[in-house]
Amino acid sequence: DSGVTQTPKHLITATGQRVTLRCSPRSGDLSVYWYQQSLDQGLQFLIQYYNGEERAKGNILERFSAQQFPDLHSELNLSSLELGDSALYFCASSVGIQTVLTGELFFGEGSRLTVL
Amino acid sequence: AQKITQTQPGMFVQEKEAVTLDCTYDTSDPSYGLFWYKQPSSGEMIFLIYQGSYDQQNATEGRYSLNFQKARKSANLVISASQLGDSAMYFCAIGQGAQKLVFGQGTRLTINP
Repeated sequence: DSGVTQTPKHLITATGQRVTLRCSPRSGDLSVYWYQQSLDQGLQFLIQYYNGEERAKGNILERFSAQQFPDLHSELNLSSLELGDSALYFCASSVGIQTVLTGELFFGEGSRLTVL
Repeated sequence: AQKITQTQPGMFVQEKEAVTLDCTYDTSDPSYGLFWYKQPSSGEMIFLIYQGSYDQQNATEGRYSLNFQKARKSANLVISASQLGDSAMYFCAIGQGAQKLVFGQGTRLTINP
């Protein structure tokens, strides 16, 4: 158990709908990262928040948005869903910002989104 | 731009044998980190091992070790005494500066009894 909690674990919805994925980081971690794993694109970085502020942005679509709340949990909002948005969405957390230089990056179990 | 190459889409190994999963990377930044993750069929991403670009010693974590050859830009994962539970997808990833990790396409490892 990494200590990162993601809900829901599974979600099935229809095209055009909107969903919210939730992530609770490990206790004490200030950084939250979102990644998308799809069959055609592999694992891709979406966005990072640190202590409530956006710090880095990757290949995140305009239909997607995220935020980190004062209690440090984060939500990823996906709107106007398309079939191609079906994927496994991971949240990861770390204590600080320089995670890639310290190795302290742990993933949650993921939220599997299926768009029909 | 950073890039990770995992050239082995699939590997089959007998239980108790050692296995090496290949990973080569490309980066122009002198400061970077290399990560290995395991993804079983259930889907979660399990952190295995980390190597910083300035670390002098190869990283080890239990049965996992990382064969880091900086000049060759290689960061192979070695699993000693493989077990049936090691069957999974294995991902190599590199991170630098921008804080995001760039992942390889993964290697599917199957341990045969």
